[in-house]
Amino acid sequence: EVQLVESGGGLVQPGRSLRLSCVASGFTFDDYAMHWVRRGPGKGLEWVSGISWNSGTKGYAESVKGRFTISRDNAKTSLYLEMNNLRTDDTAFYYCAKDMVGYNGDAFDIWGQGTVVTVSP
Amino acid sequence: QVVLTQSPSASASLGASVKLTCTLSSGHSSNGIAWHQQQPDKGPRFLMKINGDGSHIKGDGIPDRFSGSSYGAERYLIISGLQSDDEGDYYCQTWGRGIHVVFGGGTKLTVL
Repeated sequence: EVQLVESGGGLVQPGRSLRLSCVASGFTFDDYAMHWVRRGPGKGLEWVSGISWNSGTKGYAESVKGRFTISRDNAKTSLYLEMNNLRTDDTAFYYCAKDMVGYNGDAFDIWGQGTVVTVSP
Repeated sequence: QVVLTQSPSASASLGASVKLTCTLSSGHSSNGIAWHQQQPDKGPRFLMKINGDGSHIKGDGIPDRFSGSSYGAERYLIISGLQSDDEGDYYCQTWGRGIHVVFGGGTKLTVL
């Protein structure tokens, strides 16, 4: 079964850090680019970050650039998002998504169920 | 940077059809897009990818009731035989600047 399972969310104070993980199964993980997408309360989907199959290309939304770092471990079929200096407006469900191609962005054809991050004093 | 425009809401009756529109910003009318559905309290689900020529690839298990088309800078998602669990938010997504992708603002579909 093709599956993405996120973990690592939780309640954290502003300024603190959190690391999200996403474990993939059912497809050849290292053939595809992977992404993180979030949905804040009352908001729509927002692309957060993406990484190519070999980690050679990484990209970030302006809202998280300099604070978040995306990485992957192909041997562990896992995707990560290191989130530093968290702000209250980072509160959201965070989803892991599989791209249809390996290097640049394209359509996302597999999504995880999400993990919730709440940033509050 | 490409911008995707969607109407905030749409509604149609049970059993009827609805057409959702995603409009690409100027200069990007040949872009492909993807449609995603998000039902309440669930993760998003990939519905289909629509190329600029209107050809499309559907996600696994997506019923024939869901179809897509293209005209100029507009990309459409057509849902026929509406069912109650078609209610939710529908997003279009595109790409084109390296690894970066963009989402439309989403359309909230209500089935009456």
